[in-house]
Amino acid sequence: AQSVTQPDIHITVSEGASLELRCNYSYGATPYLFWYVQSPGQGLQLLLKYFSGDTLVQGIKGFEAEFKRSQSSFNLRKPSVHWSDAAEYFCAVSSGGATNKLIFGTGTLLAVQP
Amino acid sequence: EAQVTQNPRYLITVTGKKLTVTCSQNMNHEYMSWYRQDPGLGLRQIYYSMNVEVTDKGDVPEGYKVSRKEKRNFPLILESPSPNQTSLYFCASGLGGAALAFFGQGTRLTVV
Repeated sequence: AQSVTQPDIHITVSEGASLELRCNYSYGATPYLFWYVQSPGQGLQLLLKYFSGDTLVQGIKGFEAEFKRSQSSFNLRKPSVHWSDAAEYFCAVSSGGATNKLIFGTGTLLAVQP
Repeated sequence: EAQVTQNPRYLITVTGKKLTVTCSQNMNHEYMSWYRQDPGLGLRQIYYSMNVEVTDKGDVPEGYKVSRKEKRNFPLILESPSPNQTSLYFCASGLGGAALAFFGQGTRLTVV
């Protein structure tokens, strides 16, 4: 069965510091991979997605993620964090196809210190 | 503006009183889905619909019903709500394939 693990429940970084949020998945084939961000009181916004091809994916708001098949990982990175990046981040996996079901991780809550 | 609209945003109700949470999208998406979000569990799929009159269960369908009579609308129905359905609910839509690109703002439901 597909699953997604986000090992860090809560992370605090200083503004201007670099950020890496971890995501590991379990899936038999190459999955479709996603990162979403949820700001307080808001819905989920798609940051980026990986389907195939270049394993380094660029997203919105200056985020990027790298697919590493050998490690079953899809970590999210940002070189310099802004205070407005404080939010909860969700990694998700999908097999694609007709059912289109997304399996979400439990989320990582990011706090940004001034 | 492309969007998924849920109503209401907040709802407090009593056990057993039927309620409906509406979801509407203006992007002509075929695929729509409902999720619930609970602390420590992430988002779990309740029901999904691949097109009009085509719906199917997700991972946690018990206690919920849906209908898809029109492409743009996908209401979530709780016939007899119970306290364990207290949660944050999200509706989402997409073009199909793998990417659910659009989520609604969420409906926070409390059942007492």
